[in-house]
Amino acid sequence: AQKVTQAQTEISVVEKEDVTLDCVYETRDTTYYLFWYKQPPSGELVFLIRRNSFDEQNEISGRYSWNFQKSTSSFNFTITASQVVDSAVYFCALSEVLNTDKLIFGTGTRLQVFP
Amino acid sequence: DAGVIQSPRHEVTEMGQEVTLRCKPISGHNSLFWYRQTMMRGLELLIYFNNNVPIDDSGMPEDRFSAKMPNASFSTLKIQPSEPRDSAVYFCASSPKPGLAGNEQFFGPGTRLTVL
Repeated sequence: AQKVTQAQTEISVVEKEDVTLDCVYETRDTTYYLFWYKQPPSGELVFLIRRNSFDEQNEISGRYSWNFQKSTSSFNFTITASQVVDSAVYFCALSEVLNTDKLIFGTGTRLQVFP
Repeated sequence: DAGVIQSPRHEVTEMGQEVTLRCKPISGHNSLFWYRQTMMRGLELLIYFNNNVPIDDSGMPEDRFSAKMPNASFSTLKIQPSEPRDSAVYFCASSPKPGLAGNEQFFGPGTRLTVL
């Protein structure tokens, strides 16, 4: 069965600290996609990144980076030099090729960055 | 370009009343999703449509909930009668092509429903 686990319910850091949000997934498909979404205090969900199961290269976008490891079924998200504006709930999600229309979301990790 | 539009943004109603939430997907998108978010249950998929046809409504909590998509640019989620436990934020999302692997979903701002 497909499942996404975000074990960290809440993380608090002080500005400029690096922080990693963990995501572990379960799927029987060999082809699948992984996503990260951000939900700031304003409430809307904002797409951050999509990764397919055949591309294990790490990705960096500014202060954001993603580490995809199939061997451990993990797709972790690191924010370098965190800022107060990074405070949000972050969701990891899985989409399987056999059921491509549905996104299976994790329970989210609330990140609080204090000045 | 306009994103997904939802109305109303906030709704406060009394138990037993009918509630209708509305969604306009992004133009050209052919899949539409309704989600519910609560503290207890997180983000739950209620129902989704491809090309205006309901594909999976297994997430709809009970018969009090119904959803329609009469055309490609409009969908409603109705709760009748509403109950306090229906209080939540309801999100609508759309994505471009049904069945396309890796489809990103674009979310609306949500409707915060409070049932007293």
